[in-house]
Amino acid sequence: NAGVTQTPKFQVLKTGQSMTLQCAQDMNHEYMSWYRQDPGMGLRLIHYSVGAGITDQGEVPNGYNVSRSTTEDFPLRLLSAAPSQTSVYFCASRYNRGQETQYFGPGTRLLVL
Amino acid sequence: AQSVTQPDIHITVSEGASLELRCNYSYGATPYLFWYVQSPGQGLQLLLKYFSGDTLVQGIKGFEAEFKRSQSSFNLRKPSVHWSDAAEYFCAVEKGNKLTFGGGTRVLVKP
Repeated sequence: NAGVTQTPKFQVLKTGQSMTLQCAQDMNHEYMSWYRQDPGMGLRLIHYSVGAGITDQGEVPNGYNVSRSTTEDFPLRLLSAAPSQTSVYFCASRYNRGQETQYFGPGTRLLVL
Repeated sequence: AQSVTQPDIHITVSEGASLELRCNYSYGATPYLFWYVQSPGQGLQLLLKYFSGDTLVQGIKGFEAEFKRSQSSFNLRKPSVHWSDAAEYFCAVEKGNKLTFGGGTRVLVKP
């Protein structure tokens, strides 16, 4: 049971490039989410999904796209990277029922030049 | 808008001393409450959680937290700090499928 996995661990992009951050979980969790962590601001919710085919926006969705075609995977896409998207990105998942805890992946560190 | 405040950005404590980290939130009703810990370069580990019931919650690593509805607070405590407790601590609140984090408190432990 690998839990929540994220790839890559570290990525450098140039402004305007696109990329996809991968997130997968093997716990059959319905709910998955993406956060970005910036110094002094804690983690902020980007997008989340309560099941395959269903996604919704969080607090800071601009510049990011998501889709959920399977229960296991929840990729985060940056279509045109900007320096403001330099951050550490965390994926998390949980069961979609009351009183459940989210489990976090190890994070992806992204640097946009 | 909902918000979570951790008033202390940094706290320095001596090893063996007690620790209290503050957390206040603003919501219309009692949300689900969490404390997470993050060691440098690592992901987040859940320390404890409150959903309902007993307002004093026990967690891992000897931590506990108390929910006070009248003060909209969920403060984290540990009676005796170990050097391995040096980390950043995040309070988080969940309402309506959205988890909102405070800005974090970095704890330094002096020998």
